[in-house]
Amino acid sequence: AQTVTQSQPEMSVQEAETVTLSCTYDTSESDYYLFWYKQPPSRQMILVIRQEAYKQQNATENRFSVNFQKAAKSFSLKISDSQLGDAAMYFCAYHNNNDMRFGAGTRLTVKP
Amino acid sequence: DAGVIQSPRHEVTEMGQEVTLRCKPISGHNSLFWYRQTMMRGLELLIYFNNNVPIDDSGMPEDRFSAKMPNASFSTLKIQPSEPRDSAVYFCASSSRGGGYTFGSGTRLTVV
Repeated sequence: AQTVTQSQPEMSVQEAETVTLSCTYDTSESDYYLFWYKQPPSRQMILVIRQEAYKQQNATENRFSVNFQKAAKSFSLKISDSQLGDAAMYFCAYHNNNDMRFGAGTRLTVKP
Repeated sequence: DAGVIQSPRHEVTEMGQEVTLRCKPISGHNSLFWYRQTMMRGLELLIYFNNNVPIDDSGMPEDRFSAKMPNASFSTLKIQPSEPRDSAVYFCASSSRGGGYTFGSGTRLTVV
């Protein structure tokens, strides 16, 4: 079974600074998708960014970007110019066919 | 688009009672998923449907749990009889292929 590992239960960052959240995964598939989801205290799961495994170029969405290393099975999320509203739980997710697996999450605190 | 709609948002019930959670997926999405989120176990996939057909229910914890999808616009997750350890947030999500999941707001279930 595919597993997703987030090794940082908690992270903190100073407002306006940059933070990187780590994620590794295990799979024998070559075609899959990777996602980062944000879950604020409202508990809504919000899609932050997605990456197709067949694309070498790292995905970027405004202040959010990923470092996708397919051979290393690594998919980290970089948040630039952190804002107070970025404080939330962040989940890394692996998606292949109709199976999506989530990591345990990283709680991000943003300090003013 | 109103997104994935779940009801109720909160449910408090007594042990032994039947609980039914409801979900309306996004129109045009052909896959629907039920997840359970707890502090101890994180996000767990319970069951998913593809074109209204249950594909994998291996995540359903016990026979007390059942899920149906009678049509493309409606699904239910039923727990009968409910137990205190079923207390969790239950998410419904829908997706089209490779598009990432869109989650509902979740139902917080408390069984006392």
